[in-house]
Amino acid sequence: AQSVTQLDSQVPVFEEAPVELRCNYSSSVSVYLFWYVQYPNQGLQLLLKYLSGSTLVKGINGFEAEFNKSQTSFHLRKPSVHISDTAEYFCAVSRGGTGFQKLVFGTGTRLLVSP
Amino acid sequence: EAQVTQNPRYLITVTGKKLTVTCSQNMNHEYMSWYRQDPGLGLRQIYYSMNVEVTDKGDVPEGYKVSRKEKRNFPLILESPSPNQTSLYFCASWDRAVGDTQYFGPGTRLTVL
Repeated sequence: AQSVTQLDSQVPVFEEAPVELRCNYSSSVSVYLFWYVQYPNQGLQLLLKYLSGSTLVKGINGFEAEFNKSQTSFHLRKPSVHISDTAEYFCAVSRGGTGFQKLVFGTGTRLLVSP
Repeated sequence: EAQVTQNPRYLITVTGKKLTVTCSQNMNHEYMSWYRQDPGLGLRQIYYSMNVEVTDKGDVPEGYKVSRKEKRNFPLILESPSPNQTSLYFCASWDRAVGDTQYFGPGTRLTVL
């Protein structure tokens, strides 16, 4: 069964610094991988997704993620964060290539950007 | 404007009193889903629907019912709520299995006393 581990529950960072949010997954089959962002008191918004092809995926708001099959990781990165990036970020894996139908989410990482 | 709406946004109720949380989307999406979000657990899928009259269980379906009689609506029904169903609930919709994106509603915070 697929599972997702987000190792950091909280990541504090200063504005304009780079950030990496870590995500590892376990699966014995091909997977689709996703990153979502949740701003305070809002629903989730899809940042980016990996389905196949290039292992470097670019998303909205300047975020990107790299799929590493050998390390079963899908870490999210941004070279320079803004105060407005303060939010909770969720990594998710799709079971059996079912797309959005059957997602398994990680427990989330809270990104705290300070001036 | 493309959106998913949920009602109510906040609800406090008592154990055993049946309630319905509505979800509606205006994008003519085939797929819809319900999730619950709990601290330290992330989001877990309750039910999803692939089209009208086609639904399937997610990871935590116990204590919940759904129906999909119209394409735009996907209500979540708690026939006998219990305190362990206190949670933040999200509805989502999307067009194809891995469509462009998945749209989420604003959430419904439910407290069962």
